[in-house]
Amino acid sequence: DAGVIQSPRHEVTEMGQEVTLRCKPISGHNSLFWYRQTMMRGLELLIYFNNNVPIDDSGMPEDRFSAKMPNASFSTLKIQPSEPRDSAVYFCASRRTGLSGNTIYFGEGSWLTVV
Amino acid sequence: RKEVEQDPGPFNVPEGATVAFNCTYSNSASQSFFWYRQDCRKEPKLLMSVYSSGNEDGRFTAQLNRASQYISLLIRDSKLSDSATYLCVVNTQNSGNTPLVFGKGTRLSVIA
Repeated sequence: DAGVIQSPRHEVTEMGQEVTLRCKPISGHNSLFWYRQTMMRGLELLIYFNNNVPIDDSGMPEDRFSAKMPNASFSTLKIQPSEPRDSAVYFCASRRTGLSGNTIYFGEGSWLTVV
Repeated sequence: RKEVEQDPGPFNVPEGATVAFNCTYSNSASQSFFWYRQDCRKEPKLLMSVYSSGNEDGRFTAQLNRASQYISLLIRDSKLSDSATYLCVVNTQNSGNTPLVFGKGTRLSVIA
């Protein structure tokens, strides 16, 4: 079975540009998470969805960040405008609630550099 | 106080050594616990769940102390391939409707 698929794997962009990160969760999983990881702050939860509905976006840094999940197999995280401090690895993860405890599965991450 | 705290390390140990990591969590309502492993420039992957009675998987032993709110991971007979960052993870519910909270991780280097 395919795992969580993220794109792009790597992106270098200039400050002020819009960045869109994409995620396809594992088929059958009904929870989706966006995490950001930096050396200083570790893994931080940005937002999560249950059954395509955003449940908690309190981790989203500011209004420049937005996330959508239009259907069960696709989610986007958008940063507009991007800033150098947004440089990080952005992980998408998914989980099927009620099965195998609460294990979540991560994608390979999107490595973002804003210059 | 951070929700999940770990010693960042690094722990530098020789091959064959036994090494232990501890992790503390602040939410006494936490219900489920895990150790994840993250290799350099890779995504975190589940290493093992942590059960109340403690559990073992080969060279790895996980323990939970609810009274003191800490979790431990013991690695016996360390291998070079064990070099990674180990993330302590907790969840406040068993239903799976809440996200996992990750510690910053403990870095392990096993040296030949």
